[in-house]
Amino acid sequence: GAVVSQHPSRVICKSGTSVKIECRSLDFQATTMFWYRQFPKQSLMLMATSNEGSKATYEQGVEKDKFLINHASLTLSTLTVTSAHPEDSSFYICSAKVPGTAGGYTFGSGTRLTVV
Amino acid sequence: AQTVTQSQPEMSVQEAETVTLSCTYDTSESDYYLFWYKQPPSRQMILVIRQEAYKQQNATENRFSVNFQKAAKSFSLKISDSQLGDAAMYFCAYRPLKGGGADGLTFGKGTHLIIQP
Repeated sequence: GAVVSQHPSRVICKSGTSVKIECRSLDFQATTMFWYRQFPKQSLMLMATSNEGSKATYEQGVEKDKFLINHASLTLSTLTVTSAHPEDSSFYICSAKVPGTAGGYTFGSGTRLTVV
Repeated sequence: AQTVTQSQPEMSVQEAETVTLSCTYDTSESDYYLFWYKQPPSRQMILVIRQEAYKQQNATENRFSVNFQKAAKSFSLKISDSQLGDAAMYFCAYRPLKGGGADGLTFGKGTHLIIQP
């Protein structure tokens, strides 16, 4: 089946530093990937849509300069949290539409970011 | 904008019994997809079942079935013969059909399902 690999699974960083999260489609090409954020015991909130070869589309209220998204190839999208602060601590999950499936999406395993 | 509402923060069921999780949504679109996802403690999102709004027949996947009521904008999940491995957070999700998959999913707040042995 279609697999999306997300790394790292956990990261702890100091306040003010930047962190990069990678999302890679292993056995299919993903022209579009999605980035979600999930606070503890809450739902997934769509942050942005990553499009290969073009600028990402951000949801209302998401700072594009804080959360940099790059989708340079058909199999890799990255999310960089810049100048991280403790309030950026959260669980980040990527997702990709699976080609040839009606409405099908597959999700990465998520990244738990802790900013200290 | 579309919204998805799950009114049951937590549900509990005895092993081998049947449980129904509720979901309602609001949209002005006529064609869309609805999903139920399971998120176990590992936090990996797992697709349980998917329904295309243009199909009147309710989707089923083994012990999982849905009751899709388009006019009422209701999409409940029934889990039959509940098993301990079914314990997880369950999220209802929506996306419009148009856009060819360029739209992300809108999720409800989730229902925490507890299976009593």
